[in-house]
Amino acid sequence: DTEVTQTPKHLVMGMTNKKSLKCEQHMGHRAMYWYKQKAKKPPELMFVYSYEKLSINESVPSRFSPECPNSSLLNLHLHALQPEDSALYLCASSEKGPGPYEQYFGPGTRLTVT
Amino acid sequence: GENVEQHPSTLSVQEGDSAVIKCTYSDSASNYFPWYKQELGKRPQLIIDIRSNVGEKKDQRIAVTLNKTAKHFSLHITETQPEDSAVYFCAAGVYSGGGADGLTFGKGTHLIIQP
Repeated sequence: DTEVTQTPKHLVMGMTNKKSLKCEQHMGHRAMYWYKQKAKKPPELMFVYSYEKLSINESVPSRFSPECPNSSLLNLHLHALQPEDSALYLCASSEKGPGPYEQYFGPGTRLTVT
Repeated sequence: GENVEQHPSTLSVQEGDSAVIKCTYSDSASNYFPWYKQELGKRPQLIIDIRSNVGEKKDQRIAVTLNKTAKHFSLHITETQPEDSAVYFCAAGVYSGGGADGLTFGKGTHLIIQP
């Protein structure tokens, strides 16, 4: 299984809502990533988890809260978002070790903040 | 932090011709350079990658070259086909013994293959 899955595919939320995005992989990868991609722009790194520990936070606002409950799952908790946070949120995973290793991307969650 | 510049932003070529996309990077610590293809509404998919200890890599119609001294790398697609039409992103990353720091992407090139 060389697939990263993400749910939901689409999400519409108000600025006062709390929601979560979910990412799952069963490739035994121990590095997982969140990227944000605005329309017609490249993916931008948000967070990196390494062995279920947060290793990189690219100065992301606290209204985005990542969580890695186990080696297969990665969540992104959303609270009090702004309309400019509307984007495609991509999860990726890769092996750990001396590397480098390919990052496998999920299909993304298209988020609209109203 | 790393900065990756990518050119051109749009490239239109006749079917069967070659396409070349160029990228430069700023961080000399970067040692991994993947290229991703992203079709409209789909996830980025790796098409080829190169490590800093290699100057060139080829996979059928696709090749990548790396010049570490000049900090630039290029994607070459030969005998282009309609299904090559997509947005292509170059990226750079640092891999140390402990693993990845994540990737920094170029702004993308919209490749259009004219029939």
